[in-house]
Amino acid sequence: AQKVTQAQTEISVVEKEDVTLDCVYETRDTTYYLFWYKQPPSGELVFLIRRNSFDEQNEISGRYSWNFQKSTSSFNFTITASQVVDSAVYFCALRTIYNFNKFYFGSGTKLNVKP
Amino acid sequence: KAGVTQTPRYLIKTRGQQVTLSCSPISGHRSVSWYQQTPGQGLQFLFEYFSETQRNKGNFPGRFSGRQFSNSRSEMNVSTLELGDSALYLCASRARGGAPETQYFGPGTRLLVL
Repeated sequence: AQKVTQAQTEISVVEKEDVTLDCVYETRDTTYYLFWYKQPPSGELVFLIRRNSFDEQNEISGRYSWNFQKSTSSFNFTITASQVVDSAVYFCALRTIYNFNKFYFGSGTKLNVKP
Repeated sequence: KAGVTQTPRYLIKTRGQQVTLSCSPISGHRSVSWYQQTPGQGLQFLFEYFSETQRNKGNFPGRFSGRQFSNSRSEMNVSTLELGDSALYLCASRARGGAPETQYFGPGTRLLVL
């Protein structure tokens, strides 16, 4: 069975603090894809990153970085020097190659960045 | 390239009515998926269409149905609306429906059932 767990329901930080959003996934498939999306109050899910199960390299994009560790089945997302515009709900999602037409979403983490 | 568009953006209906939501995928994308998002249940998969065929369906009652046209545009229909159908309905598209492909989402349709 496939499952994504985002244990942090809501996080509040003050601007310029670093924050890490946790994502733990479960799958027995060896080929799978992990995604992070951001959902601002407007509602649209904005794609942030995709990783495949064979690429464990961490990735950095500006203030955003992702730490993929297969040993712990985790795909964590860190925002460095957070800003008020980062306030949103963040979703982690999983798709496997054997069930490629279904996306498994975590329950989301709401991030509040206060000025 | 234009993104995924959904119409209408907001909708108010009463119990027992039916509603049709529309989704236009990114140009060239042939796979369209629908999701329901509520505060209590989170994001739940409704169904996916590819080349006018439904490929997968989530655990929703038969009141929820959809279809896809030859131009890849998709519609979702909910009949005999219930209060619990109030939600944000999101549509997403991807190019050919393959596993590695990123799914791009539209802005959603907020449905309120009174």
